[in-house]
Amino acid sequence: DVKVTQSSRYLVKRTGEKVFLECVQDMDHENMFWYRQDPGLGLRLIYFSYDVKMKEKGDIPEGYSVSREKKERFSLILESASTNQTSMYLCASSKHLEGHEQYFGPGTRLTVT
Amino acid sequence: AQSVTQLGSHVSVSEGALVLLRCNYSSSVPPYLFWYVQYPNQGLQLLLKYTSAATLVKGINGFEAEFKKSETSFHLTKPSAHMSDAAEYFCAVGGNTGGFKTIFGAGTRLFVKA
Repeated sequence: DVKVTQSSRYLVKRTGEKVFLECVQDMDHENMFWYRQDPGLGLRLIYFSYDVKMKEKGDIPEGYSVSREKKERFSLILESASTNQTSMYLCASSKHLEGHEQYFGPGTRLTVT
Repeated sequence: AQSVTQLGSHVSVSEGALVLLRCNYSSSVPPYLFWYVQYPNQGLQLLLKYTSAATLVKGINGFEAEFKKSETSFHLTKPSAHMSDAAEYFCAVGGNTGGFKTIFGAGTRLFVKA
């Protein structure tokens, strides 16, 4: 059974802290994605990666960075957390970029106070 | 550019009634279309996808969707709602021109009344 795991289900951080969200997939997928989910806005793409050490900006990359040192792991970094980054963060992976479904992790609900 | 519109942020049905969740898309090329479901405190999982093989697509848990090019629609239906169908549903469109993005709709929350 395919699996995408995220390091934390719930996280509370203070404004200005550096935050790391980790995502691991066990399906040998080439592509990995980070989204944030906010009520009424659906899912918005922050960054994605199509290969190890490769990354591309999504629709809302400001305030975020990513790292992909190994194929199975994709990290999202909030360099200096702000209250407007309080959200649900979803990681996903897919075999191919076009026409293929994405497999999602359970999400990390981040609260920045 | 591609876009997705889901009509109705909330839909309420009685158990046993027809479920109809509406999705309209915009795409300049034949799209890939998806429906995902998100149960409380979980990530999204694929219900079904359209990839041009057939206009009526059957998915898991008794759901199906029909691709209508003339109406640019991909509505999700289920003949008889069950309490366990209560969840949030997302329609998504992906391109096939070399673009990578999957665009998600804002979501429709389905409530099922006993």
